[in-house]
Amino acid sequence: EVQLVESGGGLVQPGGSLRLSCAASGFTFSNYWMSWVRQAPGKGLEWVANIKQDGSEKYYVDSVKGRFTISRDNAKNSLYLQMNSLRAEDTAVYYCVRDDDSFFDYWGQGTLVTVSS
Amino acid sequence: DVVMTQSPLSLPVTLGQPASISCRSSQSLAYRDGNTYLNWFQQRPGQSPRRLIYKVSNRDSGVPDRFSGSGSGTDFTLKISRVEAEDVGVYYCMQGTHWPPVTFGQGTKVEIK
Repeated sequence: EVQLVESGGGLVQPGGSLRLSCAASGFTFSNYWMSWVRQAPGKGLEWVANIKQDGSEKYYVDSVKGRFTISRDNAKNSLYLQMNSLRAEDTAVYYCVRDDDSFFDYWGQGTLVTVSS
Repeated sequence: DVVMTQSPLSLPVTLGQPASISCRSSQSLAYRDGNTYLNWFQQRPGQSPRRLIYKVSNRDSGVPDRFSGSGSGTDFTLKISRVEAEDVGVYYCMQGTHWPPVTFGQGTKVEIK
């Protein structure tokens, strides 16, 4: 059974940093692109970033470029999102999502990030 | 960026009756490999999103056959043949043809009358 379990969310002040983690199991992690997708409270879905199987390619939505960094450790079956210079508008539930060849076939339960003073 | 526009944004339906959600893209979603990367997701209250339909019309494993997807180019539709209580939630279309970025529609809230 595919499982994606996020952790690392919490309350952080504007300008602060946070690192999200996603532990993957039930599939061969190194065979898949992986993404982060977020959802602000009461709002819709927004793709944030994705990363190729070997980490050689990474892409970001414009609003987080230069502030967020996606990475992975295939030996640990883990995906990460380093978030720096956080803003109030980054407040959201962040989902770890597996990318099959048709996009977003499995989602984690999400972790809430709240940026507030 | 490709803009995805869903309608309606709110859809009250009667149990057992059909429902239909439209999704339009600002550019054709046909890709050079012959595929069209248009997906539909369901998000029940308090849950994570779940993919229902991929590449326009392919149902994911475990998705009831009352859900169907159709369309081409820039116009797509998700249909529920007979709405059940468990279908309440928000439905999103998503395009992956012109990425980055992958983009989603605003969501359509389905509720029971």
